[in-house]
Amino acid sequence: EAGVTQFPSHSVIEKGQTVTLRCDPISGHDNLYWYRRVMGKEIKFLLHFVKESKQDESGMPNNRFLAERTGGTYSTLKVQPAELEDSGVYFCASSPSRARTYEQYFGPGTRLTVT
Amino acid sequence: GNSVTQMEGPVTLSEEAFLTINCTYTATGYPSLFWYVQYPGEGLQLLLKATKADDKGSNKGFEATYRKETTSFHLEKGSVQVSDSAVYFCALYNNNDMRFGAGTRLTVKP
Repeated sequence: EAGVTQFPSHSVIEKGQTVTLRCDPISGHDNLYWYRRVMGKEIKFLLHFVKESKQDESGMPNNRFLAERTGGTYSTLKVQPAELEDSGVYFCASSPSRARTYEQYFGPGTRLTVT
Repeated sequence: GNSVTQMEGPVTLSEEAFLTINCTYTATGYPSLFWYVQYPGEGLQLLLKATKADDKGSNKGFEATYRKETTSFHLEKGSVQVSDSAVYFCALYNNNDMRFGAGTRLTVKP
């Protein structure tokens, strides 16, 4: 069974540009989470999808970030326009519908560098 | 609120050395506590967990004991191997809130 995959693994963009990160969860997992780790600091929750619906988006830093999960399968996280402070590693995780919150399967992350 | 503070890295040890990575937490009520590990190029994996005070989580030779009196969940291993080189994250779950520490990078040299 394939794990959680994320694309790209690394993205370097200039300030003001747009970047879209993609996450493919494990097949059949209804829950999908996005997290961010900035500059070696703690991993912070961004948002949680249940199927295609946003269950909790309290961690989204501002309206430059837009997450979607059309059809309840893969998800995208768009940053537009990107700022220097958006640099970091963006993790995606998924879990089955009845899993405990900590029973998440994480992807390897996308390292975003904004110059 | 809920928060996790863990020992800053990086930590470099020789093979077979003893490992301790400190983790303390702040939370109301009774959180569950975890250690996750991220090996190079991979996603985070749950290493061990403890759901109530005095529980000891263990896996792959790693141990951590949930100490409510000191609000701590320190990770230990008696004899590290080169393959243990990774980033270790302490985390807690409380009231529908998942919090991670900043991570500690461990490098084990042969």
